[in-house]
Amino acid sequence: GAVVSQHPSWVICKSGTSVKIECRSLDFQATTMFWYRQFPKQSLMLMATSNEGSKATYEQGVEKDKFLINHASLTLSTLTVTSAHPEDSSFYICSARDRLGYNSPLHFGNGTRLTVT
Amino acid sequence: DQQVKQNSPSLSVQEGRISILNCDYTNSMFDYFLWYKKYPAEGPTFLISISSIKDKNEDGRFTVFLNKSAKHLSLHIVPSQPGDSAVYFCAASTGGFKTIFGAGTRLFVKA
Repeated sequence: GAVVSQHPSWVICKSGTSVKIECRSLDFQATTMFWYRQFPKQSLMLMATSNEGSKATYEQGVEKDKFLINHASLTLSTLTVTSAHPEDSSFYICSARDRLGYNSPLHFGNGTRLTVT
Repeated sequence: DQQVKQNSPSLSVQEGRISILNCDYTNSMFDYFLWYKKYPAEGPTFLISISSIKDKNEDGRFTVFLNKSAKHLSLHIVPSQPGDSAVYFCAASTGGFKTIFGAGTRLFVKA
């Protein structure tokens, strides 16, 4: 159980274009999903918290107009990197908790490798 | 400001021996701690967790120890196996809210 599916696993796009990444919880409902970003040999940095039916909460320093998050259902959150530039090239990973409750682990998707040329 | 720190970027251990991965944190409000394992180009996989009300949690070959006074936790893997070779991330959260990760430690288990 607790499977999070992320698509696509990798994408190459030209500078100035937009890319959409999907994150689905396959066997549970997730009112909240979390989007992380990882640069090579660095930690996972929380970008934003995606809330079903409401606006996402962005971490300090993350441009909400550049990284658009939509959480339209209890099983799907999307991250759109708008007008992508080479510095946006990174590994993006989504996650969710499979149960409500005070303490429960995040379950992660397999990530999306974005390369902007 | 790094709230969760893993000061050892890498660790090499012989197969069958114990692997000890360390993690320090600065935020005394953290009440839930986790360890994740990650392979390249994949998402992290949850390994084991511990609540701040406990000082030890064991699951098979994996044991996590928490020392709240020192703001330190560690992951013990015994016996270590070549398949354990991966990057291990320590993480912490407050009130089940957002989870903060350390920089990771790359474990090499030599056969």
